[in-house]
Amino acid sequence: QQKVQQSPESLTVSEGAMASLNCTFSDGTSNNFRWYRQHSAKGLEVLVSIFSDGEKEEGRFTAHLNRANLHVSLHIREPQPSDSAVYLCAVGYGSSGNKLIFGIGTLLSVKP
Amino acid sequence: EAAVTQSPRSKVAVTGGKVTLSCHQTNNHDYMYWYRQDTGHGLRLIHYSYVADSTEKGDIPDGYKASRPSQENFSLILELASLSQTAVYFCASSDGGNYAEQFFGPGTRLTVL
Repeated sequence: QQKVQQSPESLTVSEGAMASLNCTFSDGTSNNFRWYRQHSAKGLEVLVSIFSDGEKEEGRFTAHLNRANLHVSLHIREPQPSDSAVYLCAVGYGSSGNKLIFGIGTLLSVKP
Repeated sequence: EAAVTQSPRSKVAVTGGKVTLSCHQTNNHDYMYWYRQDTGHGLRLIHYSYVADSTEKGDIPDGYKASRPSQENFSLILELASLSQTAVYFCASSDGGNYAEQFFGPGTRLTVL
């Protein structure tokens, strides 16, 4: 079964500096990759969905997918303290790709 | 206005007791999902449903039942709650298309003592 791992476990950046988060997966046949943000004690908010190799930008959030390298990353441009949260990588599986396997997450702290 | 709501938001249950977690969506979505989140694990799929009156097992269904009485409502049932079922439970909904985005509820924190 698909395995999803995220790194680093935690990351501290200064406000305005680029934040880069990584996600590796074990099965490169999936076509459904998503990055979610989870603020403490709240639900998940989807940030970027990417379905093919390359880059996908949504505002300050950019995902890069390279299925040959089993890697998808998230880059946050000009992070703000309000971006401090847990970031979750999810990979789809199943016939419709709608079932998700999640990584444990990266805790991002943005310091003013 | 929240499209996926869960109740209760938190609950303390006793070992061996019955627990029902409820989820309601106003997205008009066909698919609904139940996940659990534990420290040291990502969200894991327990049960899901793609149509009313039908449920499917996810990756970790043991110890859980699910019920989908209508398109809008999806319940997760713990017939005999155990300590190991202490977790945060999330419900989500999506439409039926391939790679459809899932919209999550705020979660229910369940503590089994």
